[in-house]
Amino acid sequence: AQTVTQSQPEMSVQEAETVTLSCTYDTSESDYYLFWYKQPPSRQMILVIRQEAYKQQNATENRFSVNFQKAAKSFSLKISDSQLGDAAMYFCAYKTRSQGNLIFGKGTKLSVKP
Amino acid sequence: DSGVTQTPKHLITATGQRVTLRCSPRSGDLSVYWYQQSLDQGLQFLIQYYNGEERAKGNILERFSAQQFPDLHSELNLSSLELGDSALYFCASSPREDRYNEQFFGPGTRLTVL
Repeated sequence: AQTVTQSQPEMSVQEAETVTLSCTYDTSESDYYLFWYKQPPSRQMILVIRQEAYKQQNATENRFSVNFQKAAKSFSLKISDSQLGDAAMYFCAYKTRSQGNLIFGKGTKLSVKP
Repeated sequence: DSGVTQTPKHLITATGQRVTLRCSPRSGDLSVYWYQQSLDQGLQFLIQYYNGEERAKGNILERFSAQQFPDLHSELNLSSLELGDSALYFCASSPREDRYNEQFFGPGTRLTVL
């Protein structure tokens, strides 16, 4: 079965500090794409960062970066210089080339303390 | 604003009733995906349409159906509603199917079944 596991239901970080959210996934396919989505209290799903599985270089988007370990099927998200606006649910997801839909983890609720 | 619109924003109805959720994809996007977000099941893929044709089915109940019209908007029909159908229903669109393309999510329709 294709699954995504986010082992941390809740995380907390101090403003301006760094936090890492964990994600592992399971797929038998070799061609796939990984994503982190942010869902603030407004419930809008916002793409934070994405990674193509065939690329070894870890993706970065400003304060957001990933640690992609393909052999371990791990895809963690690092948020640097955390801001109050980063407080949200974060979902890890992937999709394979053979199927277009996203498969999501259960999410991690991130709180940012001032 | 993702460019994907969903109506209505909120829907409150009773058990046994039927409702229709509407989604308008971004201009030019051919693929529409429907997802259900509930507290116990998380974010689950329901169904995908591409240019008017059904392309993939996920965990969609037989009481649920969908279609995509020639103008590419999509409707999700939920019938014989049960309390457990209460959830946030997202529509997402992407330009092409089975390719690495970001899925742009609408704001969702919150369905409450009483």
